[in-house]
Amino acid sequence: KQEVTQIPAALSVPEGENLVLNCSFTDSAIYNLQWFRQDPGKGLTSLLLIQSSQREQTSGRLNASLDKSSGRSTLYIAASQPGDSATYLCAVLNAGGTSYGKLTFGQGTILTVHP
Amino acid sequence: EAGVVQSPRYKIIEKKQPVAFWCNPISGHNTLYWYLQNLGQGPELLIRYENEEAVDDSQLPKDRFSAERLKGVDSTLKIQPAELGDSAVYLCASSLTAVRGDGELFFGEGSRLTVL
Repeated sequence: KQEVTQIPAALSVPEGENLVLNCSFTDSAIYNLQWFRQDPGKGLTSLLLIQSSQREQTSGRLNASLDKSSGRSTLYIAASQPGDSATYLCAVLNAGGTSYGKLTFGQGTILTVHP
Repeated sequence: EAGVVQSPRYKIIEKKQPVAFWCNPISGHNTLYWYLQNLGQGPELLIRYENEEAVDDSQLPKDRFSAERLKGVDSTLKIQPAELGDSAVYLCASSLTAVRGDGELFFGEGSRLTVL
């Protein structure tokens, strides 16, 4: 059964810092990995999707990498801003086993960027 | 283009009452998901539809939960009777198709249920 872990559970940084959020998964048989952002009381907003054949994706100040063989992904946020404060979730779309076709989520990293 | 639309956004009911949530996915999206999210946790899959077929409902508590996706478009999730432990956010998501590398998921705003 696929398990997804995110570290750290919470992170508080001053504005302007570059930061890294980590995601690890136990089963490398995946179609893709997605990073989402969730604001309080809201649904999930897709940030980046990395297909299993890709190594990284970039969007603005966000860069996500994927090392499928080691079961790891990182989300890099450059020059953080208070508006980046939210919960960040990673999820893998499983390609095998009992989790086939399921999107398995981590528990999220709560990010606070203070002015 | 409209995103995934869910209603109601909030619902407060007493235990043992029934409740229903509605979801309209993005136009053209064949795959529809219902997720449950408890406070401080990641979403957990309840059911996945490919068009009108429920292809994965292994996590759906079938004694009290039911779902349907008639005509393969919008979907309804029902709980009857509701229990205190059902208080959570119910998220609907859709994608063009589930099992391929570019199958990006798009989520609605969620329906927050409080059972008193």
